[in-house]
Amino acid sequence: GQNIDQPTEMTATEGAIVQINCTYQTSGFNGLFWYQQHAGEAPTFLSYNVLDGLEEKGRFSSFLSRSKGYSYLLLKELQMKDSASYLCAVNGRGFQKLVFGTGTRLLVSP
Amino acid sequence: DADVTQTPRNRITKTGKRIMLECSQTKGHDRMYWYRQDPGLGLQLIYYSFDVKDINKGEISDGYSVSRQAQAKFSLSLESAIPNQTALYFCATSAAETGVNEQFFGPGTRLTVL
Repeated sequence: GQNIDQPTEMTATEGAIVQINCTYQTSGFNGLFWYQQHAGEAPTFLSYNVLDGLEEKGRFSSFLSRSKGYSYLLLKELQMKDSASYLCAVNGRGFQKLVFGTGTRLLVSP
Repeated sequence: DADVTQTPRNRITKTGKRIMLECSQTKGHDRMYWYRQDPGLGLQLIYYSFDVKDINKGEISDGYSVSRQAQAKFSLSLESAIPNQTALYFCATSAAETGVNEQFFGPGTRLTVL
């Protein structure tokens, strides 16, 4: 089977750092994506990891451990506009389709 | 700009009606997908297509059908809409040759079935 777990909701304060975890069990692995989705809008690409380690892109970083089936998204210097849902998605065997987690809703407060 | 567009953006219909949602893309991508999103359930794959002659069922295809009229167009039909098909529907595209399968999403169609 295929299963992706993320916390349902997290809260943080403006200017702080937050880490959103994702664990997965999938049939085949060809990379892991993080998407950001504001309420009622389309998901937009944040990051992609296919090898173990940390990928940094501005205020956002994403980490992958394939042996542990684990990834996290790290958001630094939080801003109010970062209030959104963050979707973890795994690329299965043959790059055929993405399996999405249910998303983590992040609320950033002043 | 290269883009993924969906029509209509919002639709209210009644039980039993036939509905078609349309998706067009100017990205030149060969792969297209239809998802539905319900609160608390994340994105669920309905159908996907790797080229004009290739159509595949996703996790929740019952009650839906699709047509890939051209590389740039992929439509989703609900033959006889029912209230539990009320959801936000997204079309997405990706390019096979990148070897990454990053998906680009359209703006979504909010469908309400009364």
